Amino acid sequence: EAGVTQFPSHSVIEKGQTVTLRCDPISGHDNLYWYRRVMGKEIKFLLHFVKESKQDESGMPNNRFLAERTGGTYSTLKVQPAELEDSGVYFCASSRDGYEQFFGPGTRLTVL
Amino acid sequence: GQSLEQPSEVTAVEGAIVQINCTYQTSGFYGLSWYQQHDGGAPTFLSYNALDGLEETGRFSSFLSRSDSYGYLLLQELQMKDSASYFCAVRDRGNFNKFYFGSGTKLNVKP
Repeated sequence: EAGVTQFPSHSVIEKGQTVTLRCDPISGHDNLYWYRRVMGKEIKFLLHFVKESKQDESGMPNNRFLAERTGGTYSTLKVQPAELEDSGVYFCASSRDGYEQFFGPGTRLTVL
Repeated sequence: GQSLEQPSEVTAVEGAIVQINCTYQTSGFYGLSWYQQHDGGAPTFLSYNALDGLEETGRFSSFLSRSDSYGYLLLQELQMKDSASYFCAVRDRGNFNKFYFGSGTKLNVKP
């Protein structure tokens, strides 16, 4: 069974630019989560999808962040325009039942 | 809201036993999970305590005491490959599928 994959693994962009992160969950997992970890701090919840529906987006920092999961398969997280404080590692995770989450390797975003 | 505290770093020698503590302040939660993350890798699930007490899985055990707002991960017979970061996480009572993570404990295993 293939694991959760994320693309790209690294992204370096200038402040004000746009970046789109992609997550492919494990096939059959209806639950998909986005998290962010800023250097040395906690892994912070951003939002949760069940299939294509957003169940909870209370962790999204502001309206510069937009997540979609069209068709209930892969998901994208777009940051537009990016700011310096958006730098960090963005993790995606998927789960069949919500108990055990399977994480992807993360996308390391650096905003200069 | 939820707040979890873990030591930032722990060092132990190969073969030893180490305990990583997690204390939390929460308005209510369903259970406590532990995840392991090797440098540059994906966090991987280790254990989940829904109830108070000790859960054992091989060399790893996890404990939860709701009355003390406290849990720990116990690693026995440490191996070099156990060097990693360990995160505790609680699932929110208001949203069953929402998890709050601690800042992680970096475990250094020395020969």
